[in-house]
Amino acid sequence: GENVEQHPSTLSVQEGDSAVIKCTYSDSASNYFPWYKQELGKRPQLIIDIRSNVGEKKDQRIAVTLNKTAKHFSLHITETQPEDSAVYFCAASLEGIKAAGNKLTFGGGTRVLVKP
Amino acid sequence: DVKVTQSSRYLVKRTGEKVFLECVQDMDHENMFWYRQDPGLGLRLIYFSYDVKMKEKGDIPEGYSVSREKKERFSLILESASTNQTSMYLCASSQDREESNEKLFFGSGTQLSVL
Repeated sequence: GENVEQHPSTLSVQEGDSAVIKCTYSDSASNYFPWYKQELGKRPQLIIDIRSNVGEKKDQRIAVTLNKTAKHFSLHITETQPEDSAVYFCAASLEGIKAAGNKLTFGGGTRVLVKP
Repeated sequence: DVKVTQSSRYLVKRTGEKVFLECVQDMDHENMFWYRQDPGLGLRLIYFSYDVKMKEKGDIPEGYSVSREKKERFSLILESASTNQTSMYLCASSQDREESNEKLFFGSGTQLSVL
């Protein structure tokens, strides 16, 4: 089955700096890569996703890049703010196949702390 | 707004007890999932269901079973709770799209402690 590794496990950045979280996956057939954010005491929520037919996607201060050849993808947060402090999870799955396509494999999570 | 509701926020049970965790969603989603969340291990899929009475094993199904008798409700059952099942349990749901994934909507979680 799919295995997703996520690094670093914790990340401390100064407000205004950038943060980068990296994930690698094992199954070359995986083609859907979402990122979820979990604030303290709250439920995880989808913040951005990317599919294997594109190499990069941006949404305001967050961006995700995908390197299919190397089987890794990254989350980039620019101009970090205190509200970016949270645990971030990457995930991978195979779209297009019922049931299997909805099964996400998550990475271990990255705790991001933005210091004011 | 989608609501995924888990019946308990905190549960304390004894080793060997049978434990039921209930999850209800109000958006007519076909897919429902049970994950457990442990520090450093992320979210690990226990079971999921893509239709009423249908269930599929996830990555860590041992020691668990599930029930989906109605579309809106997905129950996780610990037949005989053990201390290594102490964890945060998250339920999630999503619409079914054969060609593409839809985002997961999570419940607020149940922190289960098995003593």
